[in-house]
Amino acid sequence: DQQVKQNSPSLSVQEGRISILNCDYTNSMFDYFLWYKKYPAEGPTFLISISSIKDKNEDGRFTVFLNKSAKHLSLHIVPSQPGDSAVYFCAAIIGNEKLTFGTGTRLTIIP
Amino acid sequence: KAGVTQTPRYLIKTRGQQVTLSCSPISGHRSVSWYQQTPGQGLQFLFEYFSETQRNKGNFPGRFSGRQFSNSRSEMNVSTLELGDSALYLCASSPSWGAGNTIYFGEGSWLTVV
Repeated sequence: DQQVKQNSPSLSVQEGRISILNCDYTNSMFDYFLWYKKYPAEGPTFLISISSIKDKNEDGRFTVFLNKSAKHLSLHIVPSQPGDSAVYFCAAIIGNEKLTFGTGTRLTIIP
Repeated sequence: KAGVTQTPRYLIKTRGQQVTLSCSPISGHRSVSWYQQTPGQGLQFLFEYFSETQRNKGNFPGRFSGRQFSNSRSEMNVSTLELGDSALYLCASSPSWGAGNTIYFGEGSWLTVV
């Protein structure tokens, strides 16, 4: 049972444009959401997070939006840069329990 | 400060064999968790250890086991290897258990079962 889903396995975006990565979840008990970025041959690194009591969190070029009623979150990257090409994982957590990850979306930024 | 160190980085095993993977967390971190990454399945949680005690366990068969030592170093073991166990095994450490935004991953151990 995949509680966190990333339905787009891949996404290609022109450099300078906006990249939007989507994530859906089924468990309404999740209270904290995170995005991780992973380059080949490296472990995932934390990117940005959002608490369930908020609907938006911004950090530089990265903004995460949370729509609790739709059980949906999205990561916006503006403007997209070649170094943003990586696999992005969304993850969710309940309290101090384990992280539940999505299947990942491979983002390719086209120069 | 040194990051999360995993050894070995790459290994090839035969079906039926067993394998032990090692993880050294960041100094001062007491929580270690393990994940399996396979194409199309994302990161699947295996287990988490804190102060030598297993705190959480994922939905993996009993062939997958782990332990944590008093110095917080952790090992995971997979017995009776199957072809489907071929994957990237990632270890992550954090200062305390369940701290999602302060979790730091190692580079992983690539296991190929033939």
